[in-house]
Amino acid sequence: AQSVTQPDIHITVSEGASLELRCNYSYGATPYLFWYVQSPGQGLQLLLKYFSGDTLVQGIKGFEAEFKRSQSSFNQRKPSVHWSDAAEYFCAVAQLTGFQKLVFGTGTRLLVSP
Amino acid sequence: EAGVAQSPRYKIIEKRQSVAFWCNPISGHATLYWYQQILGQGPKLLIQFQNNGVVDDSQLPKDRFSAERLKGVDSTLKIQPAKLEDSAVYLCASSPGDRGRNTEAFFGQGTRLTVV
Repeated sequence: AQSVTQPDIHITVSEGASLELRCNYSYGATPYLFWYVQSPGQGLQLLLKYFSGDTLVQGIKGFEAEFKRSQSSFNQRKPSVHWSDAAEYFCAVAQLTGFQKLVFGTGTRLLVSP
Repeated sequence: EAGVAQSPRYKIIEKRQSVAFWCNPISGHATLYWYQQILGQGPKLLIQFQNNGVVDDSQLPKDRFSAERLKGVDSTLKIQPAKLEDSAVYLCASSPGDRGRNTEAFFGQGTRLTVV
């Protein structure tokens, strides 16, 4: 069964600093990979996704993520964080065949300091 | 395009009472999911429908939880009787749902359930 690990529960960065959110997955074949963001009291919004092709994917709000098969990772980056980026970020993996089952990691809460 | 609609947004009930949540997915989406998100955790899949059939309910506590998707469109999730540990946000999501293709899921705002 597929699984997702987000090793950082909390991350604090200064506004304007760069950000990297880590995600490792476990799945026997090439998966679909996603990053979602959740602001307080809100549902989940898709930031970016990887299905196939170019391993560096661009998302909304200036986020990008890189799929590295050899490391089973799908880390997300942003070169300059804004205060409005403070939220919870979830990595998710779905199987490539059959009915999609979307499995989430436990999330990383991002705090942005002035 | 209208998003995934959920109601109610908030619900407070006493333990052993029953509660129901409603979800209307994006029009034309074949796949509908119900997730449970306990505070501080990632969403956990409770049940997944493809049209009006269940494709995965392995993590649904069937002694107290039930769900249906009438006519392959909107869905209800019911808890009866509720326990304190059911306090969570219940998220509904939908996706176009073709097998292995274009499986981006769109989420509603969720229903926050508090069991006291």
